[in-house]
Amino acid sequence: GDSVTQMEGPVTLSEEAFLTINCTYTATGYPSLFWYVQYPGEGLQLLLKATKADDKGSNKGFEATYRKETTSFHLEKGSVQVSDSAVYFCASSFYGGSQGNLIFGKGTKLSVKP
Amino acid sequence: GAGVSQSPSNKVTEKGKDVELRCDPISGHTALYWYRQSLGQGLEFLIYFQGNSAPDKSGLPSDRFSAERTGGSVSTLTIQRTQQEDSAVYLCATTVSSYNEQFFGPGTRLTVL
Repeated sequence: GDSVTQMEGPVTLSEEAFLTINCTYTATGYPSLFWYVQYPGEGLQLLLKATKADDKGSNKGFEATYRKETTSFHLEKGSVQVSDSAVYFCASSFYGGSQGNLIFGKGTKLSVKP
Repeated sequence: GAGVSQSPSNKVTEKGKDVELRCDPISGHTALYWYRQSLGQGLEFLIYFQGNSAPDKSGLPSDRFSAERTGGSVSTLTIQRTQQEDSAVYLCATTVSSYNEQFFGPGTRLTVL
């Protein structure tokens, strides 16, 4: 079945460091891809998305590019801040399908130290 | 309200008891999903409602789990004869349609003793 695999954490970085969180997917076809973020004590929020191959999603300095050839959607940020400390989830979905439900990776906890 | 709301925020129950979890969607959102977030399994899809169509129950882990959506609005997830492995955070998400971004509620943390 369809699945999403992301690098396991926790990841600890110093402020202004470069961030990469790897994510790969398996699917029959070409799903839409997402990164969700869960800040401490808060609910899941959509961070960015891409709906087709070679699309780049971006938000709040984070970026991810939909790579069909490597079935990947790695999350990157050039300079992390303490406020980026959160759990990040990669997810896939077939928009407009019979369900459109999200399939999530297990999450990666990021801690940014000042 | 402006966002998806869920109640209660926390629920502690004894093994074998039934529990009901409630989700109030964003007004106008006809699609509603329930997910479960647990330490061992991560985030899992449970059930999907779209308008007045029959729900997609393919993610429900056992027949102890059921859900209703009354009048296309509020949804209730019921777990009968709770087990310790049911302990998790239950998340509700709603959207205008399965083509659109899902908005998540804050979740209900269920602890089964």
